[in-house]
Formats: sequence, structure tokens, C-alpha cells
Amino acid sequence: ETGVTQTPRHLVMGMTNKKSLKCEQHLGHNAMYWYKQSAKKPLELMFVYSLEERVENNSVPSRFSPECPNSSHLFLHLHTLQPEDSALYLCASSQELNSGGSPLHFGNGTRLTVT
Amino acid sequence: QKEVEQNSGPLSVPEGAIASLNCTYSDRGSQSFFWYRQYSGKSPELIMSIYSNGDKEDGRFTAQLNKASQYVSLLIRDSQPSDSATYLCAVKQLGQAGTALIFGKGTTLSVSS
Repeated sequence: ETGVTQTPRHLVMGMTNKKSLKCEQHLGHNAMYWYKQSAKKPLELMFVYSLEERVENNSVPSRFSPECPNSSHLFLHLHTLQPEDSALYLCASSQELNSGGSPLHFGNGTRLTVT
Repeated sequence: QKEVEQNSGPLSVPEGAIASLNCTYSDRGSQSFFWYRQYSGKSPELIMSIYSNGDKEDGRFTAQLNKASQYVSLLIRDSQPSDSATYLCAVKQLGQAGTALIFGKGTTLSVSS
């Protein structure tokens, strides 16, 4: 399997639930990212990991908790979400974090609905 | 606040025409520029990157960069219905640890047959 794989593709959860989004990259990249995409808004960077170390947390509420156990895997743990958190959550990877020429490769995303 | 601005559209062009997509950015230190295409319900995919002033051509696509005007554009020649998608402009500034791409809202392109 190649590229960036995200599971699940769709998730419906209540505000009191706890769930996790999973991302796996098979590209040998060193940096991984979580982005949120809401309707009519630009892609919002949430978290950045470089070589399994978190290097950026873009003022994301604590109800979102990332985890990067190794350079190929990235998780986003969700708890006590709000309806406004409903969005498409995209995982991405890049060869290097600070290299200007290193584009992002995106997974297919998880469509999250919070009821 | 670093910003990337795009006209949300929709931009409608007939099949075979040239589609011109524009993007402006606020951070003069920006060094790398990317265009992504996103079909409805799909994830963004990279179609062009450009790092220096001028034009860069790849098949039917041409990216144009003017750093003095803080402007980057994407031209699509011989537009096809399959080009109908949202095009995202993304900008990156070198030298800041932890900085990833900043995206615009995207321009929706509709190519009619």
C-alpha cells in the first residue's frame, strides 16, 4: 500500500463520546500534519510533527489530542467534541518539515459529524 | 496574520478555453508556492509547485509567480470538464521552525462542455 491512509473515512459521534482518527503514511516521510477543513473556510493547520516530535500546536482546543508513536503513524484523539467541530479532518505528510520544496501529500480524510 | 487570498468563484469557462486562477499572499518572506486541486469529496492533490519568479509549465498547466507583487497564478490551457474542481493556493515561508503550508479558501472552477 502506498501514500497516506486515513481511517475511518466517516465518523458520527455524540458530544460525550471518545474516538480516535488514524493516519498512516507509506512514503518514508519525516513530517506529519493534521488539518481541519470546514465549509467556506481555508484548510486550518492543527498539529505538526517532525520525527515524532510535536513542533506546532496551532491553538487547538484540548478536546483534540494528537499522538505520533513513530514517523509513519499519527493519531488524533477526540473527546467531548462540539457540533462546530464537524468537518473533514485531513492528515498529510512531507519529506522534511523545514524544506521549502517539500510539498504535502494528503490522505483521503475523515468526515466527522458531531451530533 | 499571514494570509493567502483567492477569489472563491465559481469561475466558469467553456471547454477548450484558458482558465486563469489567481492568488495573493501577505507575507513577503514567503518562498515556496503550491497549487492543489481538490475534487468534491476528495482530498487535495498537488498539481504544481513554483519557487522563483517567472513561469513554470507542466503540460496544460502554467504557474506564474511575481514576488514583488506577492502574486501567484495558475493557468489551465485547453480546459476540460475533468478540470472542474476547487483549486487551492498554498504558501510556505522558509526559516520558521514548525511552519507548514498556509492555504487560501480555494477557487471553484467549472468547465462546461
